[in-house]
Parts: sequence; C-alpha cells; structure tokens
Amino acid sequence: GAVVSQHPSRVICKSGTSVKIECRSLDFQATTMFWYRQFPKQSLMLMATSNEGSKATYEQGVEKDKFLINHASLTLSTLTVTSAHPEDSSFYICSIESGSPHGDTQYFGPGTRLTVL
Amino acid sequence: LAKTTQPISMDSYEGQEVNITCSHNNIATNDYITWYQQFPSQGPRFIIQGYKTKVTNEVASLFIPADRKSSTLSLPRVSLSDTAVYYCLVGGSNDYKLSFGAGTTVTVRA
Repeated sequence: GAVVSQHPSRVICKSGTSVKIECRSLDFQATTMFWYRQFPKQSLMLMATSNEGSKATYEQGVEKDKFLINHASLTLSTLTVTSAHPEDSSFYICSIESGSPHGDTQYFGPGTRLTVL
Repeated sequence: LAKTTQPISMDSYEGQEVNITCSHNNIATNDYITWYQQFPSQGPRFIIQGYKTKVTNEVASLFIPADRKSSTLSLPRVSLSDTAVYYCLVGGSNDYKLSFGAGTTVTVRA
C-alpha cells in the first residue's frame, strides 16, 4: 500500500500559537487527502477532505478558519491549527485515498500528537 | 454511509483464533466491507477488504454471508502484538469518506 508520513510526530505549544502539521504521500500522487482527529479512548473523527488545487471540504462542526488546510501538490497537504487552545489537544491523523476501484480504501499516516498548554 | 455495530472488546490468549463479527444491516449493493487495525498512538492500518463470500490474505480472513448484513474478521493464531483496536467500515465506490465507529478492542494475553 501507499506510504504516508506526517511531521512532526508530536508537538507541544503554548495556548494562542499556531501549529502546522504536514502530511506527505511518499509514493503515490494523492488527489484527495483526509484529516482526522482522535481524542483519547475515542474513535477517529473526520475533520475535512482535502483536494489538490481546490478548497477543502469541512465536516459539520469543524471550524474552517481555525483548521486551515492547504493541498498545494499531489504529495503534500498541511493542516494548520490556528490560535490553538488546550481543547485542541488531540491526535491528528491524515490519510490518502488509494485510488482503488472501490474508492474506500485509505492509507493513513502515523499521526501527530498535539498538546496545547 | 452504512452504520456498523461491533463488540466493544474481546479478550483472547496467544495462539488462539479471534473472530470479530460486525453487523451492517443497511449495507448497500455497491458497498464493500473493509477492516482496519489501529495500535495506540498510530494511524489505522488497512487489513482486508471484501464484497462477498470469503477473502483471505497473509494477515486475516474475512467471511461475508450471502445476505451481506454482517461480516466476520478472523485472526488466526493471535500473538501479543495483535492487541489493537479493529474497525469495521462499510462504503461504496462513490463514497470516499470513511466513518469510523467505536471499533473492537482486542486484548491478547500470554
């Protein structure tokens, strides 16, 4: 399957600062990437769908001005958490759509642990 | 997206076979069934996908009855390293978004 990397793997920041998380598809040109958030002991929640060269589509309840997504190339999507607060502390995971005929197979990155103090 | 129901947790011992059944009564004609595995602090990993009958790979088997309203993931001879959360997802070719349920936490003991 496709290989997806994320950087950084973990980040600690002060409240009010902005944090950028990178998601890279290392061996596959990903037209579509997804961003998820996972709180402790909970399942993954889809935040947004990122499409190369166009605006991201956000899920209901996700603030697009707070979680800025840029998908400028077929191998890179970035998620910027603006003015982060402690409640934004979570595990952020990206994935790419595999391009399989079924369309519902995704390959996930290793995740980024964000801690906001 | 079809809703899925699976047990919250299962315990097993090393060397045993683990079978996790997922219910998806509202599965649509073009939906596939996909299972993912997630270890703590890691992204999910694709395990297996199927449409009907039986699918087997080097990691697991997936059994799907004729009515497709349920599916069973079978992990043969589990080891401690198989301790993880297993998610069953149902979706079709026009639905690129994945909706994760609570998953099944499988704990393998020595």
